[in-house]
Amino acid sequence: EDQVTQSPEALRLQEGESSSLNCSYTVSGLRGLFWYRQDPGKGPEFLFTLYSAGEEKEKERLKATLTKKESFLHITAPKPEDSATYLCAVQTDSWGKLQFGAGTQVVVTP
Amino acid sequence: DTEVTQTPKHLVMGMTNKKSLKCEQHMGHRAMYWYKQKAKKPPELMFVYSYEKLSINESVPSRFSPECPNSSLLNLHLHALQPEDSALYLCASSLLTSGGDEQFFGPGTRLTVL
Repeated sequence: EDQVTQSPEALRLQEGESSSLNCSYTVSGLRGLFWYRQDPGKGPEFLFTLYSAGEEKEKERLKATLTKKESFLHITAPKPEDSATYLCAVQTDSWGKLQFGAGTQVVVTP
Repeated sequence: DTEVTQTPKHLVMGMTNKKSLKCEQHMGHRAMYWYKQKAKKPPELMFVYSYEKLSINESVPSRFSPECPNSSLLNLHLHALQPEDSALYLCASSLLTSGGDEQFFGPGTRLTVL
């Protein structure tokens, strides 16, 4: 059975304090791994797609990496506006069905 | 333009009401999705439409009835809902190529069932 596990559940950072979020997965046939950011009461905002081990994507203070068993989302020198829930999701079928992890809630304080 | 729009933003309905949620995208995407999200939980897939045909129904109760009038529009008809159906309902769309495709989500409809 496919599984996606995110850790930690919650993360509190000081502004400028870099950290990493983890998404470990056990799936049969990965078509893509996706990172989203979600603010309270809003829809998830797409951040990155990763397809194969060794791939890396960057956007502003965020960098996503992928191995055969897990993905990391690195937040470098975070700012309060980076506070959000970060969701990891995997796709294994051709219909686009996503299986989400439970998310990591990140709070960045000034 | 990577925008998916949803209306209404908020909806309050009684258990005997009939209402509809609407979703629209103009990105030429061929797959559209309905998700349900409860507080502090990830989105749960309800339905997938690909090329305007229902591809996946995740054993959703019949009080939820999806409809895809054309490739840009997706509706979710609601009837005889229960209070536990109160949630954020999200629509998403994707290209649906042979590989993995990112889904773009709308802002959601906050549904409250009294």
